[in-house]
Amino acid sequence: KAGVTQTPRYLIKTRGQQVTLSCSPISGHRSVSWYQQTPGQGLQFLFEYFSETQRNKGNFPGRFSGRQFSNSRSEMNVSTLELGDSALYLCASSETQEPYEQYFGPGTRLTVT
Amino acid sequence: EDKVVQSPLSLVVHEGDTVTLNCSYEVTNFRSLLWYKQEKKAPTFLFMLTSSGIEKKSGRLSSILDKKELFSILNITATQTGDSAIYLCAVHNYGQNFVFGPGTRLSVLP
Repeated sequence: KAGVTQTPRYLIKTRGQQVTLSCSPISGHRSVSWYQQTPGQGLQFLFEYFSETQRNKGNFPGRFSGRQFSNSRSEMNVSTLELGDSALYLCASSETQEPYEQYFGPGTRLTVT
Repeated sequence: EDKVVQSPLSLVVHEGDTVTLNCSYEVTNFRSLLWYKQEKKAPTFLFMLTSSGIEKKSGRLSSILDKKELFSILNITATQTGDSAIYLCAVHNYGQNFVFGPGTRLSVLP
């Protein structure tokens, strides 16, 4: 099976702009989670989608949003970008039954200038 | 609030050494504990543990979970330079959320 794919891989934006990141899960995986990884904070959970519904949400401001489509592909949007949003954004997909192993995509490196 | 703590945060060893990485957690509705290895990009899955006292093994890596004391260890024997990475511990709860620890940065010197 193909792995989790994320696009774009690298992105440079300026403060105040918005950005949309895309994630395609492993075929058959219906759960998609998004994480932000920074050197200072480590890997932090943003939100999880299952069957087009947000099932869980981490402690991030409302500028961070997402959605999932009927084919399980997911997008994440960040509006009004701040310098502190510079990070590696990782998407992970998992099955919805045991063993719930989670597989990560290569990430999108976002730099906000 | 759910929390995962890893120790040490950083470790430098020489090839051939054996290392033990620790992960403790405070999580409501525990479902499983997972270990990942992260080199340059995305974390890669190593183990998932759900039952206490049952060791999972893959080559030189092994891991065990203690659900009573709320911790897990990851052992790497006969370390190689290719084992240099950040090792992440995560706990999966029944809220379908994964909580990650800060990671242990392992450096294996030749």
